[in-house]
Amino acid sequence: TQLLEQSPQFLSIQEGENLTVYCNSSSVFSSLQWYRQEPGEGPVLLVTVVTGGEVKKLKRLTFQFGDARKDSSLHITAAQPGDTGLYLCAGAHNYGQNFVFGPGTRLSVLP
Amino acid sequence: NAGVTQTPKFQVLKTGQSMTLQCAQDMNHEYMSWYRQDPGMGLRLIHYSVGAGITDQGEVPNGYNVSRSTTEDFPLRLLSAAPSQTSVYFCASSYRARTNYGYTFGSGTRLTVV
Repeated sequence: TQLLEQSPQFLSIQEGENLTVYCNSSSVFSSLQWYRQEPGEGPVLLVTVVTGGEVKKLKRLTFQFGDARKDSSLHITAAQPGDTGLYLCAGAHNYGQNFVFGPGTRLSVLP
Repeated sequence: NAGVTQTPKFQVLKTGQSMTLQCAQDMNHEYMSWYRQDPGMGLRLIHYSVGAGITDQGEVPNGYNVSRSTTEDFPLRLLSAAPSQTSVYFCASSYRARTNYGYTFGSGTRLTVV
């Protein structure tokens, strides 16, 4: 079983603070996706990264794929209560494989 | 914009009962899959389908059956419910099978087996 680790498991911060969450594996990813899941709903895709060192920005969210394609980070600038949710990473180690999901980071942004 | 529709939203079953969780998508997606989500375990793949008439097992297939008679529908059947199957179940679809296209998820079915 291919394992993805995410850290931290839980994060509670005040509105306006910055934060970074991480997704790691001992194996190389062919591609990696980040999702956000709100209570009572299914995950929603935020971004897909495929190239080592790639950086993608989505408003206040910055996603980075490690140079060796074994890890990824999600940085949120000036967090808002609307950013509250479970952030999941999902990776495929080989093209044509199903994506495997990490356990997630549960983020709470307090007003 | 229906996307992926799952029914029911909530269900309570007694041990040994059977039931079918329904999943339908209206995006003409080739790939469909079922996951279960348990605290601290992430989403684990139960079964998946790369097209009508084709299904395969995922990471945790025991106790579940699927079929894909049409592109739109991908029902999940619990044959004889057990308390270990208490979970939240998500159906997901994607434009193409196992590529970099993202998954579109339904809103989930919360199942409790007593």
